[in-house]
Amino acid sequence: GAVVSQHPSWVICKSGTSVKIECRSLDFQATTMFWYRQFPKQSLMLMATSNEGSKATYEQGVEKDKFLINHASLTLSTLTVTSAHPEDSSFYICSARITETGLHSGNTIYFGEGSWLTVV
Amino acid sequence: EDQVTQSPEALRLQEGESSSLNCSYTVSGLRGLFWYRQDPGKGPEFLFTLYSAGEEKEKERLKATLTKKESFLHITAPKPEDSATYLCAVQAGGSYKLIFGSGTRLLVRP
Repeated sequence: GAVVSQHPSWVICKSGTSVKIECRSLDFQATTMFWYRQFPKQSLMLMATSNEGSKATYEQGVEKDKFLINHASLTLSTLTVTSAHPEDSSFYICSARITETGLHSGNTIYFGEGSWLTVV
Repeated sequence: EDQVTQSPEALRLQEGESSSLNCSYTVSGLRGLFWYRQDPGKGPEFLFTLYSAGEEKEKERLKATLTKKESFLHITAPKPEDSATYLCAVQAGGSYKLIFGSGTRLLVRP
């Protein structure tokens, strides 16, 4: 299957600083990428939809000024957590949509390996 | 409101004991239903996409089926390495975003 890579896999930052997480589609172009947050033993919570060349669409309750999303190219989206606080500590996962063609045309969404953020 | 419900929450099987996981959905205009496997501390791994009622897909010991109201993930003769959380998600309407269920934690004992 298609590969989506996230970097870094884990990061520790001090409270009040900003941290950037990258999401790359390695072998396909992704016009749409998604950012999720996952708490222990819970399902994935969608934070925002990132569209190449345009502003991200944030889900209700997600602070767009705190979680900055940039999708500057067809293979890269970034999530920047600004002025991080301990409550922002979580597992952040990105995903990218690939369009399928052929008899059963549709789309598939592949996920990255996730990034663990710890704010101290 | 679009909803996805998975059952059971947790399932323990003996190696070789076949079973099924359920995903019930209520959406306005199903675009696709997705199954993923997630191991602890990792991102979800894509398994299947189903688009229309009656569709079935297989991969090794896994088989996914779809009706107008639910999807089943059948696991035949599972092995301990099949232990993971299995997530179901739907795309609905004109959106590509996934709406996830809460997952089924599967444990297969040797």
